[in-house]
Amino acid sequence: QQQVKQSPQSLIVQKGGISIINCAYENTAFDYFPWYQQFPGKGPALLIAIRPDVSEKKEGRFTISFNKSAKQFSLHIMDSQPGDSATYFCAASGDSGYALNFGKGTSLLVTP
Amino acid sequence: EAGVAQSPRYKIIEKRQSVAFWCNPISGHATLYWYQQILGQGPKLLIQFQNNGVVDDSQLPKDRFSAERLKGVDSTLKIQPAKLEDSAVYLCASSLGGGLSGNTIYFGEGSWLTVV
Repeated sequence: QQQVKQSPQSLIVQKGGISIINCAYENTAFDYFPWYQQFPGKGPALLIAIRPDVSEKKEGRFTISFNKSAKQFSLHIMDSQPGDSATYFCAASGDSGYALNFGKGTSLLVTP
Repeated sequence: EAGVAQSPRYKIIEKRQSVAFWCNPISGHATLYWYQQILGQGPKLLIQFQNNGVVDDSQLPKDRFSAERLKGVDSTLKIQPAKLEDSAVYLCASSLGGGLSGNTIYFGEGSWLTVV
């Protein structure tokens, strides 16, 4: 069963715009929520991560917003660039084994 | 620092044949994972090792998939016999481990399998 639900499936944003990807989870044992970026032919790479004790984390143009009561979190990419075009995965861990449970991914295309 | 190494990068086999993938994790990483990524989907955990012991293999199709991590370092994932639905990218990943949530998990570039 899909433990982390991600939307939208695909997203097209103009250069300079804001890209927003949303995720939701059910398992209250989850306590670590990373976002991974994957380029074609490459493995996923950690972009940014958050724990539920904070509501927001910002690293450069990337921000995670976290809503513990709603069990939702989102990735915001400010000033989106063509080089940001990739597939983004949200994930969660914290239950048995601490392995990552991934969403289905969002394919982002930033047009010039 | 060297990343997670995987081989082969690409493999095409016929259904019912066997295939093996090899992974060398980042030096010092105690935890090793194998994930299956079907085209257009997120990675799905197949098996997790802590040193050379299995932590979680609940989603590994054990009638055809097997994995081992001898000496707590390298790992091999085997599929025998392969089915068409096994066509996917097999991602190896590693982390420092220690049973802590939040250890960064680093992925290799994957082994692409096509079963025809």
